[in-house]
Amino acid sequence: AQTVTQSQPEMSVQEAETVTLSCTYDTSESNYYLFWYKQPPSRQMILVIRQEAYKQQNATENRFSVNFQKAAKSFSLKISDSQLGDTAMYFCAFMKQGNNNDMRFGAGTRLTVKP
Amino acid sequence: EAGVAQSPRYKIIEKRQSVAFWCNPISGHATLYWYQQILGQGPKLLIQFQNNGVVDDSQLPKDRFSAERLKGVDSTLKIQPAKLEDSAVYLCASSLNSNTEAFFGQGTRLTVV
Repeated sequence: AQTVTQSQPEMSVQEAETVTLSCTYDTSESNYYLFWYKQPPSRQMILVIRQEAYKQQNATENRFSVNFQKAAKSFSLKISDSQLGDTAMYFCAFMKQGNNNDMRFGAGTRLTVKP
Repeated sequence: EAGVAQSPRYKIIEKRQSVAFWCNPISGHATLYWYQQILGQGPKLLIQFQNNGVVDDSQLPKDRFSAERLKGVDSTLKIQPAKLEDSAVYLCASSLNSNTEAFFGQGTRLTVV
């Protein structure tokens, strides 16, 4: 079974600065997908960014980018120019390719953006 | 485009009672998930449907939990009888297929007293 580890339970950053959230995973699969989801206090999980394992280029979505190191099984999220609205829980998720995709989440990192 | 709808938003029941949650996925989404999220933890997959068939229910406590997805659209998750440790947020998610990202509903917060 796949496991996802987020080693930072809590982090904080000053508004407008940059922060990096860590995620590592363990799998024997070669084809898979990785995601970062944001969960604000409203509880709704919102997709932040997605990475296909076969792609070497790191995904980018506006202020959000990832550092995907397939050999090291590492998938960190960088948030640039942090905004107060970025305050939330952030979850790293792994999904196998195929019907039984076994989508699993890490324990989460609580990010607080300070004014 | 309407998102994933879940009801109720909140539910409080006594232990040993039964409860049911309802989920309406995004139109056209073949894959539907139910997750349990205990306070302070990440979501844990309970069951995954592909259309109206079960793909994975390995982590569903089948002695008390059941789920169905009739006609491959709406889904219900039932707990009978509930235990104190079932207190959690139950999240429903759907995706176009099993290889695309999942979209989540707002969840149902269950408190068992």
